[in-house]
Amino acid sequence: EPEVTQTPSHQVTQMGQEVILRCVPISNHLYFYWYRQILGQKVEFLVSFYNNEISEKSEIFDDQFSVERPDGSNFTLKIRSTKLEDSAMYFCASSLIRENEQFFGPGTRLTVL
Amino acid sequence: QQQVKQSPQSLIVQKGGISIINCAYENTAFDYFPWYQQFPGKGPALLIAIRPDVSEKKEGRFTISFNKSAKQFSLHIMDSQPGDSATYFCAAGIQGAQKLVFGQGTRLTINP
Repeated sequence: EPEVTQTPSHQVTQMGQEVILRCVPISNHLYFYWYRQILGQKVEFLVSFYNNEISEKSEIFDDQFSVERPDGSNFTLKIRSTKLEDSAMYFCASSLIRENEQFFGPGTRLTVL
Repeated sequence: QQQVKQSPQSLIVQKGGISIINCAYENTAFDYFPWYQQFPGKGPALLIAIRPDVSEKKEGRFTISFNKSAKQFSLHIMDSQPGDSATYFCAAGIQGAQKLVFGQGTRLTINP
């Protein structure tokens, strides 16, 4: 069964450093998403991406965040200057069409020290 | 307006019992309501979803009941099993927009 994969599974970084989280969406999917989940809290939408551009973003997704699809398979989330409050589990998701059936990856746990 | 309220926060059910988790929303533009199951250390996995043109959808032991006028929907797990122990999230989406709005989650424990 096709699945969304994410690397690394755990990333530890120092405050102020840049991090790049990587995702490989399901191969024939066209819509890509990033969500985050702070420990013990609900899953929160960050951004959606379609046709090589951001289609929707939340207020959390400020100028410190960027997304990119550098090739035909990868989808990345970059945080330019990490803050302590960026510590969370980051989930990538993808969907075939815009009708909301999103499939999530296993997540990357980001720890900012 | 964009919130989805989920209850209870935690639930303990005996094996073989029925687990019921409830969600409520305000935004009448929501037209897609999935439930996700999450095991510790894993990503949310789509369990079952419903659109407001039907009042109930059943897949195996899992049933979504949807009440459009009350703006509520619920997940029922029949014959609950220890393997069902997980955190369950309801969510809501608007067709044409991509983001899902998640509830706070319910930690379900099925006692053997």
